[in-house]
Amino acid sequence: AQKITQTQPGMFVQEKEAVTLDCTYDTSDPSYGLFWYKQPSSGEMIFLIYQGSYDQQNATEGRYSLNFQKARKSANLVISASQLGDSAMYFCAIGRGSTLGRLYFGRGTQLTVWP
Amino acid sequence: EPEVTQTPSHQVTQMGQEVILRCVPISNHLYFYWYRQILGQKVEFLVSFYNNEISEKSEIFDDQFSVERPDGSNFTLKIRSTKLEDSAMYFCASSEEGGGDQPQHFGDGTRLSIL
Repeated sequence: AQKITQTQPGMFVQEKEAVTLDCTYDTSDPSYGLFWYKQPSSGEMIFLIYQGSYDQQNATEGRYSLNFQKARKSANLVISASQLGDSAMYFCAIGRGSTLGRLYFGRGTQLTVWP
Repeated sequence: EPEVTQTPSHQVTQMGQEVILRCVPISNHLYFYWYRQILGQKVEFLVSFYNNEISEKSEIFDDQFSVERPDGSNFTLKIRSTKLEDSAMYFCASSEEGGGDQPQHFGDGTRLSIL
């Protein structure tokens, strides 16, 4: 079975600072993908960033980067230069490459950015 | 940027009634999914759909649930006889390719409230 663990129920960061949201995973599949989604209070799920298990380099998308440590089975999200609009729930998810589509989500981390 | 569209944004239904949630996936995507999120909980997979048939379904997706692609653009989730515990946010997602290591793009969700 696939499992995602997000141990930080809540995180606080000051505007313009960087913040790291933790995610560890468990899977027996050699091929998998790791995803981060943002869920603002309005409820929609916004895809942020993706890391494939065979990717050699850490993924980056603008202010988002994924610190992928395969041996430790961790896929932490780093948000640089936090903005007030980054306040939201953040979910880490894993999908197995060997099967169609099913994503397994963690419980999420509520990020609050303060001025 | 192309997006997944879901209607309605909010549905209120009496217990025991049938409800149909609608989704228009991204036009060149071939793989479709439904997830649900009970308030305050993590996102849970319901079903994946490809080539006009269900690829995988979770234990949540019992005989009360069905999915259909009635035409070339819509993808629907039907709940035949709703229960109070069906109250949740329902997300449709789509992906261009089918592996679990491929990014899925989510719609804004339909908030279903069962009275």
